[in-house]
Amino acid sequence: DTEVTQTPKHLVMGMTNKKSLKCEQHMGHRAMYWYKQKAKKPPELMFVYSYEKLSINESVPSRFSPECPNSSLLNLHLHALQPEDSALYLCASSQDPGMFIYEQYFGPGTRLTVT
Amino acid sequence: AQSVTQLGSHVSVSEGALVLLRCNYSSSVPPYLFWYVQYPNQGLQLLLKYTSAATLVKGINGFEAEFKKSETSFHLTKPSAHMSDAAEYFCAVKSNNNDMRFGAGTRLTVKP
Repeated sequence: DTEVTQTPKHLVMGMTNKKSLKCEQHMGHRAMYWYKQKAKKPPELMFVYSYEKLSINESVPSRFSPECPNSSLLNLHLHALQPEDSALYLCASSQDPGMFIYEQYFGPGTRLTVT
Repeated sequence: AQSVTQLGSHVSVSEGALVLLRCNYSSSVPPYLFWYVQYPNQGLQLLLKYTSAATLVKGINGFEAEFKKSETSFHLTKPSAHMSDAAEYFCAVKSNNNDMRFGAGTRLTVKP
């Protein structure tokens, strides 16, 4: 199984709502990532978890709160978002945080619209 | 710091023609380089990767890329384009933190 799954596929939320994005992988990977992708742009790194610990936070606003409950699951909690946060949110995983040789496997993404 | 530059934000070819998508890298250490493809409203799929084992790398869907250190390039090619190749293509390099740094992307259009 080389699949990263993400739910929901689409999400529309108001600026006062609280919602969560979920990502799951069962490949035994120990590094997991959140990326944000705006239309016609490359993915931009938001967070990296290595062995279930947050290792990189790319100066992301606190209205985005990541969580890694276990080695297979990654959540992104959303609160008080702005319309400019509307984007495709991609989750990825890779085998070993310490080994550069391994590629990242990407999920299909969650299309988020903030109204 | 590692980075990649993709030359040409949009490439258009006829079906059956050669596909050439350009990527140049900047790295102070031997780089790990990747090509990903993204179809509309989907995630990224790995086409191929360079990890110093061989300079000519073969990937999925008939794509290949050649690592040229003297030119700091890792261009993606396919001998004969198919309509299903129309997509966005990203070149990427592993950073010092082991995350991916992507180029700006090249949109490939295939004309019938």
